[in-house]
Amino acid sequence: DGGITQSPKYLFRKEGQNVTLSCEQNLNHDAMYWYRQDPGQGLRLIYYSQIVNDFQKGDIAEGYSVSREKKESFPLTVTSAQKNPTAFYLCASKPGQASYEQYFGPGTRLTVT
Amino acid sequence: AQSVTQLGSHVSVSEGALVLLRCNYSSSVPPYLFWYVQYPNQGLQLLLKYTSAATLVKGINGFEAEFKKSETSFHLTKPSAHMSDAAEYFCAVFRSGGYQKVTFGTGTKLQVIP
Repeated sequence: DGGITQSPKYLFRKEGQNVTLSCEQNLNHDAMYWYRQDPGQGLRLIYYSQIVNDFQKGDIAEGYSVSREKKESFPLTVTSAQKNPTAFYLCASKPGQASYEQYFGPGTRLTVT
Repeated sequence: AQSVTQLGSHVSVSEGALVLLRCNYSSSVPPYLFWYVQYPNQGLQLLLKYTSAATLVKGINGFEAEFKKSETSFHLTKPSAHMSDAAEYFCAVFRSGGYQKVTFGTGTKLQVIP
């Protein structure tokens, strides 16, 4: 089955630790995105990548980092510099520039205490 | 800048009643608009999309939306609510300008009362 996988589903970390969230897609999509979701705020864009080895900051990139070394993978690292990292994180992908529809993964809920 | 506003963070309807979820957009150019549905602790699933073809767009699960340029609206409707429709719904607009980004509304949680 083609789709987007995010692992793990739930992640717990201590404050001050960096943590990396996985996102893998086998849809052969060019573009990939990371969103953060908080209650009542909708989805906010953290980073996006339109092609391999290139990525751009979104609206709330501070305290996060990404890499795009392979087309199918777009991992997100939540660093200790992120002030409020506890949230639901969603990864999405899109075929290319001619397409407007995004496909979403199941999400990872990160809790930092 | 392109944005969307969803009126009502929570909407309750009785099972079998009409569902109406409101979305207004702000765009200086013809927009591409979407409705997504999210069930608890899951990702988003596309319900329907408007890409400047027909103004009445039909989606999955019996939902439809009508693009009204004069009202800058893209409201989501379903004639008869089902218990399985209880979820959070997001309106979204595609931001043009080469950035290939989507702006999401803040979401509307739909409660269906038996």
